[in-house]
Amino acid sequence: EVVMTQSPAALSVSPGVRVTLSCRASQNIRANLAWYQQKPGQVPRLLIYGTSTRATGIPDRFSGSGSGTEFTLTISSLQSEDLGIYFCQQYSDWLSFGGGTKVEIK
Amino acid sequence: QVQLVQSGAEVKKPGASVKVSCQASGYTFSNFDINWLRQASGQGLEWVGWVNPNTGNRGSAQKFQGRVTMTTDTSKNTAYMELSSLTSEDTAVYYCARRAVPDHWYFGPWGQGTLVTVSS
Repeated sequence: EVVMTQSPAALSVSPGVRVTLSCRASQNIRANLAWYQQKPGQVPRLLIYGTSTRATGIPDRFSGSGSGTEFTLTISSLQSEDLGIYFCQQYSDWLSFGGGTKVEIK
Repeated sequence: QVQLVQSGAEVKKPGASVKVSCQASGYTFSNFDINWLRQASGQGLEWVGWVNPNTGNRGSAQKFQGRVTMTTDTSKNTAYMELSSLTSEDTAVYYCARRAVPDHWYFGPWGQGTLVTVSS
């Protein structure tokens, strides 16, 4: 089983700041990584797939990078509507999710 | 637009079974696998399994094998997930989600979720 570890578990950031979220896989998953955003009280929404491809309708302030075991989701300029929990998911070896990073707005 | 609408909340006793439905609209139902995932309160996401509406092929995570049954009714554009031998650890919100792209294992959109509570 591929174990996905996200860091930090939570962060509080002011609007306009650049935010970097990390996701580490326990083994090489190549580029088979997706990111989801779950706003409070809402269902998860696909943000990024294939490590770096934005899903339809996702603003370009969201970007993904990485390969192998280390991956990053970057929000170039945090907006108030970006609060929520961000999950990474690998789909290289079955499926597994990270525990999430909670983003709060200062 | 593509939409998945799930059945309502359920309360079950330990040892019972629960069946959750997921009705799809806005696309050709048979063209995309439906996946089932769950999220316990305050916890992360856990993949349960998948079903192909066209072929009926299905698969599940190892921990659910023998306990989960996933089916579809193409005449109703609806997928179903039945989980048996429920315990308190099965209390969670269950989501159906469509593969975002055929043959790729990432998901969107998602249903609104169905809360399943297991309590004596």
